Amino acid sequence: QVQLVQSGAEVKEPGASVKVSCKTSGYTFTGYYIHWVRQAPGQGLEWMGRINPNSGDTNYEQKFQGRVILTRDTSITTVYMELSRLRSDDTAFYYCARVLDGYSASPFDHWGQGTLVTVSS
Amino acid sequence: EIVLTQSPATVSLSPGERATLSCRASQSMSNYLAWYQQKPGQAPRLLIYDASNRATGIPARFSGSGSGTDFTLTISSLEPEDFAVYYCQQRSNWPLTFGGGTKVEI
Repeated sequence: QVQLVQSGAEVKEPGASVKVSCKTSGYTFTGYYIHWVRQAPGQGLEWMGRINPNSGDTNYEQKFQGRVILTRDTSITTVYMELSRLRSDDTAFYYCARVLDGYSASPFDHWGQGTLVTVSS
Repeated sequence: EIVLTQSPATVSLSPGERATLSCRASQSMSNYLAWYQQKPGQAPRLLIYDASNRATGIPARFSGSGSGTDFTLTISSLEPEDFAVYYCQQRSNWPLTFGGGTKVEI
């Protein structure tokens, strides 16, 4: 079965960087885009960007341009989200999500369990 | 960017009642609208995609409709497990955007 398993919770100081992993299994890794969505505590969902695991091509929400980098390692079917210059308002749950079919912007039918990133001094 | 406005923000209903949730887009778009359900402490779950298609394993009491700028998620008869927050999401234009959510509470 399709699974997306994310790395554990992180606590970072303002100005630091965080790298969250999303280990996938149960399907052809290179056949489905992976997106990242975040959710501040008690708030709504916010799309951050997406990566094509086949080519490595990425597309980011303008708000995060220059601060977020999505990468992948095809050998271990894992996608990474690195967010730099962290601020207190980056405190949130970060989710990876796989698309329903082979298209870049398809709906998200499988999600990771979420990783809580807390930014605090 | 397409802004999605969901209403109401919160709706109080009882099991067995019908729930009608609205999602309005800031500009006309194709039917590339999805609905997700999120329960406390869980990741969102895809319910409906492309406005009216139920995702795999989603019960028939969930249905979606709409086009242009106005979309609706209907839960025909609420089950206890349906009390949750519901989000709409568009994939018609970049960036992908979500609505602010509707909480369905008892």
